[in-house]
Amino acid sequence: SQQGEEDPQALSIQEGENATMNCSYKTSINNLQWYRQNSGRGLVHLILIRSNEREKHSGRLRVTLDTSKKSSSLLITASRAADTASYFCATATIQGAQKLVFGQGTRLTINP
Amino acid sequence: DTAVSQTPKYLVTQMGNDKSIKCEQNLGHDTMYWYKQDSKKFLKIMFSYNNKELIINETVPNRFSPKSPDKAHLNLHINSLELGDSAVYFCASSQDHRVGNQPQHFGDGTRLSIL
Repeated sequence: SQQGEEDPQALSIQEGENATMNCSYKTSINNLQWYRQNSGRGLVHLILIRSNEREKHSGRLRVTLDTSKKSSSLLITASRAADTASYFCATATIQGAQKLVFGQGTRLTINP
Repeated sequence: DTAVSQTPKYLVTQMGNDKSIKCEQNLGHDTMYWYKQDSKKFLKIMFSYNNKELIINETVPNRFSPKSPDKAHLNLHINSLELGDSAVYFCASSQDHRVGNQPQHFGDGTRLSIL
């Protein structure tokens, strides 16, 4: 089964509001990463949070990690139309092959 | 300059044909990847190469054959294309194969449509 699963699958909010997306995973991880994908484009790395970190900020992005619950959240504050995209979490497991496992993403729409 | 570039951007072809997708990165990275993204946006790794050596082969049908002539290039050749091969194929690269410690850089994808 899939390692990372995002929730919700789709989110539509008004410009200026905050957007929160969640990611759950199943096995122990080294780190967790969030990526953004604009329509018709490749994935762009946003932020990496290590398993020993609980929170990380980058500009308007805030990521939390709760390893006891095997979950992470991505908060985008003061959303803009340009934030419209799909957002994916990706995990790298401690054991097994060195690969990133992606969830199916949250499709975020910011309405002007 | 584009960091990871792949060609072509679109590929429309008939079932049974053979086609290739090319990828180049100018980041000086050691590791490159091929991913397949299906119509539901699910992204799954197919192959990864580190310094021209295959390190991950995710039980992909042997109709798919990656080739890395040097560490800056990773091409994907697909034989006898099937309808189920229709997807967007992404190339990516990272500094090295320790995926736990670093981001990956993606190309803009090749949208493959099988008629």
